[in-house]
Amino acid sequence: NAGVTQTPKFQVLKTGQSMTLQCAQDMNHEYMSWYRQDPGMGLRLIHYSVGAGITDQGEVPNGYNVSRSTTEDFPLRLLSAAPSQTSVYFCASGWETQYFGPGTRLLVL
Amino acid sequence: KNQVEQSPQSLIILEGKNCTLQCNYTVSPFSNLRWYKQDTGRGPVSLTIMTFSENTKSNGRYTATLDADTKQSSLHITASQLSDSASYICVVRYNTNAGKSTFGDGTTLTVKP
Repeated sequence: NAGVTQTPKFQVLKTGQSMTLQCAQDMNHEYMSWYRQDPGMGLRLIHYSVGAGITDQGEVPNGYNVSRSTTEDFPLRLLSAAPSQTSVYFCASGWETQYFGPGTRLLVL
Repeated sequence: KNQVEQSPQSLIILEGKNCTLQCNYTVSPFSNLRWYKQDTGRGPVSLTIMTFSENTKSNGRYTATLDADTKQSSLHITASQLSDSASYICVVRYNTNAGKSTFGDGTTLTVKP
């Protein structure tokens, strides 16, 4: 039981590049979500999903896309990276108790 | 506007001492309040979850209290250990259907030997 896994752990992008942050869970949770954490700020919700095929926007969705084709996977796509997207990204799984992944540290130059 | 404010921003204590972290919120409607521990470079880990009707909940040396009338919560850590050094985050869920929550900025606790 690996819990929530995220890849990559660290990524450097140039402005305008696109990439996908991977998130997978093996706890059969319906609810999954993506957050970003910036220095001195609380985690902010980007997108969430209440089950396969169902996604919705959080409070900071601009510049990000998500899809949920399976219960296990919830990838986050950066369409055209901008320096403002430099952050630490956390994927979480679960409803009452949220289990967070180890995070992906993204640097956009 | 939904807000969660935590205090102090940072705290340094000696190993073995107790401490209390504060969380004030203006989130509405209230669903539940959670405390997380986040070690440096890692994702948050849940410590406690409290609903409106719960006043206190413990998890080992961690005890959380909730006063729904004054919209305040506290996290008390007893007999601190070096491994308690971390950021402690207060989170209030306000949207029951979508699971949306407001996160506090966290209190950074440093426990020194």
